[in-house]
Amino acid sequence: DAKTTQPPSMDCAEGRAANLPCNHSTISGNEYVYWYRQIHSQGPQYIIHGLKNNETNEMASLIITEDRKSSTLILPHATLRDTAVYYCIVRVVSWGKLQFGAGTQVVVTP
Amino acid sequence: DADVTQTPRNRITKTGKRIMLECSQTKGHDRMYWYRQDPGLGLRLIYYSFDVKDINKGEISDGYSVSRQAQAKFSLSLESAIPNQTALYFCATSDPRGSTGELFFGEGSRLTVL
Repeated sequence: DAKTTQPPSMDCAEGRAANLPCNHSTISGNEYVYWYRQIHSQGPQYIIHGLKNNETNEMASLIITEDRKSSTLILPHATLRDTAVYYCIVRVVSWGKLQFGAGTQVVVTP
Repeated sequence: DADVTQTPRNRITKTGKRIMLECSQTKGHDRMYWYRQDPGLGLRLIYYSFDVKDINKGEISDGYSVSRQAQAKFSLSLESAIPNQTALYFCATSDPRGSTGELFFGEGSRLTVL
């Protein structure tokens, strides 16, 4: 699986959009970009995934660059409950496994 | 009730003791996983099982063993616990036929080896 690079931490004001970047320059054509988050030592929670098109669900939006070498997770209106570590992972869906990096610690402040 | 249940949630033990962490799921998924997490780090894969008859080593399997007793149960054993196995352990499941390929995680088992 391709490796990813994320900033170690970022702050965001409550109510504002949080934009979390991820670089995955060695991504292969059959690898998807997945985002998970982990709130304070709980089990990681799936957020969203995509292959090459932008995706949106009730939790977030995922913007993938045309060359697929980077992506951005957008939390449109951050709340205090969005404080968590966010993991960007690239994987072949059929493999099943997830390979986690260190992620980005996001702190949402009032 | 949680779909993926881990027991015990917390355990303190001594070096050399045998420890078993258990995971059961009600999601009907074929695939199950065990991960460990050390402070400030991401999760690392210990073992995974794609069905009852299939067991595979992950990136850090040394010192661990697993048993897939049934589709719904996947146990992780530490035959002789050592202090550097102190960590937070997570069980997860997935359905290869699911549209998202997501993994569903339990709430974690915190193990301390003295």
